[in-house]
Amino acid sequence: QKEVEQNSGPLSVPEGAIASLNCTYSDRGSQSFFWYRQYSGKSPELIMSIYSNGDKEDGRFTAQLNKASQYVSLLIRDSQPSDSATYLCAVNKSGGSNYKLTFGKGTLLTVNP
Amino acid sequence: EPEVTQTPSHQVTQMGQEVILRCVPISNHLYFYWYRQILGQKVEFLVSFYNNEISEKSEIFDDQFSVERPDGSNFTLKIRSTKLEDSAMYFCASRLDRAGYTFGSGTRLTVV
Repeated sequence: QKEVEQNSGPLSVPEGAIASLNCTYSDRGSQSFFWYRQYSGKSPELIMSIYSNGDKEDGRFTAQLNKASQYVSLLIRDSQPSDSATYLCAVNKSGGSNYKLTFGKGTLLTVNP
Repeated sequence: EPEVTQTPSHQVTQMGQEVILRCVPISNHLYFYWYRQILGQKVEFLVSFYNNEISEKSEIFDDQFSVERPDGSNFTLKIRSTKLEDSAMYFCASRLDRAGYTFGSGTRLTVV
């Protein structure tokens, strides 16, 4: 089983729609969860972090975490063409100073004008 | 907003040559990382560094790789004898606590 799995893309939505991105992880000891956006040829840029079960909202973005199901999602409301990018789910594995991020393969999102 | 700075942005090297990739993490961060991303593939962990020593390294980080923090600001990744398969984007990252990691803009390494 892969450590971090994301729904296979690409995902295409019209401008103004809601984009839904999903991620599952295998390590129940994982403690913090992140969504990064990566434009082609660029570095990952942090969008959202979430640590507790439930929803966390920041502007047009909502992250959802369900530790029992080992599931993290990202909703993008009112999608804009500038949101077109690859979205990376990343999980912070436990271990004190040995924290490290493990990434999924990413989901390519295209928002069509 | 504080940034992680990486140099050079692009490096071309011949197979078998040594390369040093440089990073300046955010000044008050305590944990430092190198990741790489081969074209079209996922971001992979290479090594973590804390308190002036390696905390953890992946299977990729073999004897050809080394890291150093030679002074209070720089954090370097050295590849001793580059191979074609080392061609990738290399990202430096730093963090203060369990909060989000900040990534540098990356160095594109091309081995010819």
